[in-house]
Amino acid sequence: GQNIDQPTEMTATEGAIVQINCTYQTSGFNGLFWYQQHAGEAPTFLSYNVLDGLEEKGRFSSFLSRSKGYSYLLLKELQMKDSASYLCAARSGGSYIPTFGRGTSLIVHP
Amino acid sequence: EAGVAQSPRYKIIEKRQSVAFWCNPISGHATLYWYQQILGQGPKLLIQFQNNGVVDDSQLPKDRFSAERLKGVDSTLKIQPAKLEDSAVYLCASSGGFSGNTIYFGEGSWLTVV
Repeated sequence: GQNIDQPTEMTATEGAIVQINCTYQTSGFNGLFWYQQHAGEAPTFLSYNVLDGLEEKGRFSSFLSRSKGYSYLLLKELQMKDSASYLCAARSGGSYIPTFGRGTSLIVHP
Repeated sequence: EAGVAQSPRYKIIEKRQSVAFWCNPISGHATLYWYQQILGQGPKLLIQFQNNGVVDDSQLPKDRFSAERLKGVDSTLKIQPAKLEDSAVYLCASSGGFSGNTIYFGEGSWLTVV
């Protein structure tokens, strides 16, 4: 089976930096996604990591350590519009099936 | 480029009734997914298609749920008969291939069973 674990909720201040962690246990791992989902909307793609290391994309960065089964999403210069749920999904197996975590609800306050 | 299209956006039905959802993926995308997302939870995969073949349907409750993608393009997901616990958002997603590094989601079909 597969297990994806991420915190349920986090709060942060506008302009600050926040790190959302995700740990996974899966057989045949072959990639990790991060998605952003605003309430009532569909998930939108943020990043995909398959190799170890940090990938930076504007204010958002994503890190992966395959040996530790660990990833994080780093959000810099937080804005109010960043308040959303952040979903971690690990892909595994020969069919490359993505399994999602429960999501981390991020609340950004002034 | 047009995104993943889904319909209907919202549906309210009584338990034991049936409902069908339609999805048209991004043009040229071979892989199509149906996910169920219950409020406050992450999406749960119901079925994955590669062209018109089923890759994985191990979490699809086959006694009441069915899905097809006959021509390898658009897809329908049916629930019959519906139960109260089926109230959820049904998300369709597609990617260029099952190993593609971006999966695009549609806006979802919101189902309420009363």
